[in-house]
Amino acid sequence: QVQLVESGGGLVKPGGSLRLSCAASGFSFSDYYMSWIRQAPGKGLEWISYINSRGTNLYYADSVKGRFTISRDNAKNSLYLRLSSLRGEDTAVYFCARDAGGHYHFDHWGQGTLVTVSS
Amino acid sequence: QSALTQPASVSGSPGQSITISCTGTSSDVGTYNYVSWYQHHPGKAPKLMISDVNNRPSGVSNRFSGSKSGNTASLTISGLQAEDEADYYCSSYTTSSTLYVFGTGTKVTVL
Repeated sequence: QVQLVESGGGLVKPGGSLRLSCAASGFSFSDYYMSWIRQAPGKGLEWISYINSRGTNLYYADSVKGRFTISRDNAKNSLYLRLSSLRGEDTAVYFCARDAGGHYHFDHWGQGTLVTVSS
Repeated sequence: QSALTQPASVSGSPGQSITISCTGTSSDVGTYNYVSWYQHHPGKAPKLMISDVNNRPSGVSNRFSGSKSGNTASLTISGLQAEDEADYYCSSYTTSSTLYVFGTGTKVTVL
């Protein structure tokens, strides 16, 4: 069955950096687009980044553009998100999600990893 | 890109039907049939309930249905059950620079 497992979250100081990983299994990872979505404490879901199957087409939310970088390694069935210049408002649970591709929805999600930005 | 607008909360008694609205603009909900709905129990992975406005994925109860009129999409839950108590989010493709936009979220309470 499809599994997405995020890791790499933790406590980081403002201005710091972190790399999140998402390990995929149970499907042909290289065939699918992927996204990162986050949820700040007490807030709703916020889409933050997308990558196509080959890693050649990237999109970002305005709130993270220039600070976060999405990437993937199809040989390792892994998705990544590099978080830089972190701010308090980046504190959130970060989910990776499989994009259904062409129909613009997320058909499988991981359970998320918590990033806390605090001094 | 502003979030799609949903009511903060909706409630109903077991067996009743409820409807959650999701209002966007002509840049997203109003023009494209790429509206999806997600159920989220806190601490768990969100679950896709409806895609492409009214398509129910395999395994999702037929008590869940979707529709759209103009800039507003809707999710209806019929025969409300205790297990339906959760947060629900709509999402849409958007022609803004961000590609996707989520709704503000609706907490469903089963009385």
